[in-house]
Amino acid sequence: DAGVTQSPTHLIKTRGQQVTLRCSPKSGHDTVSWYQQALGQGPQFIFQYYEEEERQRGNFPDRFSGHQFPNYSSELNVNALLLGDSALYLCASTSYNEQFFGPGTRLTVL
Amino acid sequence: AQSVTQLGSHVSVSEGALVLLRCNYSSSVPPYLFWYVQYPNQGLQLLLKYTTGATLVKGINGFEAEFKKSETSFHLTKPSAHMSDAAEYFCAVSSNAGGTSYGKLTFGQGTILTVHP
Repeated sequence: DAGVTQSPTHLIKTRGQQVTLRCSPKSGHDTVSWYQQALGQGPQFIFQYYEEEERQRGNFPDRFSGHQFPNYSSELNVNALLLGDSALYLCASTSYNEQFFGPGTRLTVL
Repeated sequence: AQSVTQLGSHVSVSEGALVLLRCNYSSSVPPYLFWYVQYPNQGLQLLLKYTTGATLVKGINGFEAEFKKSETSFHLTKPSAHMSDAAEYFCAVSSNAGGTSYGKLTFGQGTILTVHP
């Protein structure tokens, strides 16, 4: 049984560009959450998707948006990239009573 | 609102010594509490969790933590450190708001554990 997978592993973009990150949850998990982990910091909650809708949202601007597909996989989109968006982006998939994290996507904005 | 404070951004111990990583939380509702470990360039791995019931929780790799409501603490311990325990550790709090599966996790700033031979 594959765990949570994320793609790509690493990504380099320039300021003002747009980026899409992808996450496939663990088999049987229907809820996906996204977190941003800046260097030297703990992860910060971006949002959570359940049944293809955003259920909870953290304190992130509208430049951060997402989507969940019928197979429960999810995308995180970030528009108008800023230098401060450079971070490790983590996806977590959840079923009742368990939450698992993927390996993350390292985004560098130049 | 929920918050987590991890006391000590760096902890250094000798191999075989006791590991103690401190975590205090703030929550207006009964908390769910977690400890995660992160190795360099990797995601987060769950060590242990407290939801309800027994306040002493045992996790993987010999770690355990005790939920103390009166002290709003959830400190992580391991009796004897191993070189492979060197990593960054995160304490996190959540709640079962809405009765659905876990809501958002609020993490502390992390504690880097160094183990000396």
